Amino acid sequence: EIVLTQSPGTLSLSPGERATLSCRASQTISSTYLVWYQQKPGQAPSLVIYGASNRATGVPDRFSGSGSGTDFTLTISRLEPEDFAVYYCQLFRGKTFGQGTKVEIK
Amino acid sequence: EVQLVESGGGLVQPGGSLRLSCTASVFTLSSYWMSWVRQAPGKGLEWVANIKEDGSEKYYVDSVKGRFTISRDNADKSLYLQMNSLRAEDTAVYYCVRENVQAFDIWGQGTMVTVSS
Repeated sequence: EIVLTQSPGTLSLSPGERATLSCRASQTISSTYLVWYQQKPGQAPSLVIYGASNRATGVPDRFSGSGSGTDFTLTISRLEPEDFAVYYCQLFRGKTFGQGTKVEIK
Repeated sequence: EVQLVESGGGLVQPGGSLRLSCTASVFTLSSYWMSWVRQAPGKGLEWVANIKEDGSEKYYVDSVKGRFTISRDNADKSLYLQMNSLRAEDTAVYYCVRENVQAFDIWGQGTMVTVSS
């Protein structure tokens, strides 16, 4: 079973700053199946990035995904107040989720 | 607006049963694989089960095999999760989710299941 490890566990940043979230797989995976979700408190998750680098419909272009092999990154270029949330990566093929990274206001 | 609405959650004793329902609106349910994903209080996301467009294939996470059954009624635009022999560790918010473009692209608002005596 492939394990996804996200880091850091918590990211404390100010609005306007750049956020870089990491997702590392325990073995090489196809980028086709690497997905990122955002979850705000009290809400269901929502799709942000699919296929490692494709923004979902309606997702602002300050969100970008990259990576290949075992290392993947979600970058938020300039944090807006509504971006503070928990982000999960997922290997869609096995439906496995990472443990999440919380992006909090510093 | 494309949406999924779950119902059927509640408080149940250990060993009891519960049936969750999910109704789809706007999109054609029969065109998509569908999943259930759960989230225990304060924890991360866990995929539970999924079902092919026509119901001919079903898959489960190991921890619920033999206890949970996923099903669908495309004519009724509905997805179901029958949960038997419930345990405390099944306590979670259960989300109905659409699979599309190799991702979970539409999520319901979730329904809470609490297993406790």
